[in-house]
Amino acid sequence: GQNIDQPTEMTATEGAIVQINCTYQTSGFNGLFWYQQHAGEAPTFLSYNVLDGLEEKGRFSSFLSRSKGYSYLLLKELQMKDSASYLCAVRGGNYQLIWGAGTKLIIKP
Amino acid sequence: IAGITQAPTSQILAAGRRMTLRCTQDMRHNAMYWYRQDLGLGLRLIHYSNTAGTTGKGEVPDGYSVSRANTDDFPLTLASAVPSQTSVYFCASSDSDEVNEQFFGPGTRLTVL
Repeated sequence: GQNIDQPTEMTATEGAIVQINCTYQTSGFNGLFWYQQHAGEAPTFLSYNVLDGLEEKGRFSSFLSRSKGYSYLLLKELQMKDSASYLCAVRGGNYQLIWGAGTKLIIKP
Repeated sequence: IAGITQAPTSQILAAGRRMTLRCTQDMRHNAMYWYRQDLGLGLRLIHYSNTAGTTGKGEVPDGYSVSRANTDDFPLTLASAVPSQTSVYFCASSDSDEVNEQFFGPGTRLTVL
């Protein structure tokens, strides 16, 4: 079957760095996405990886290893507004997205 | 303002009633999607449309139907609502570029009693 795993909840301190992991097993692979979702709002696109390696975009970076079925989202210089759920999604062989349940990130002052 | 709109924002519905959730985008995206989001679960695809005039079934299509008469609109219909369809419903759209990221509407919170 197809499966995406990410931690349910993480806590970090304002100004620190946090890494959110995502492992996946899918039928085919055509890219991995990270989305941010604030409580009560819609998901918004953060990053996309299709080749192995690190993609950096400001305070956020995303890493992919296709051979290991593994990705992480790295958030630097955490701000209170980063408190949200972070969703990992894989575009499978049929080009539809398979979503993880999301990681709720709590930022403490 | 470019984007996706959904209506209604929220709705309480009696079981057995018919309900249509509306979704409109003005970005001229070819593909559109309907998801439901339930606590502790990832977004689950209900139906999708790769282009106007075509639709396809997602992971959880039973009890739902869609139509795509034009590029902008993608309504989702619950023919006879059941309590298990209580959820937050998101409509999304995507372009046909390399990344093809999906843009989401604000969601409809539906409660079926």
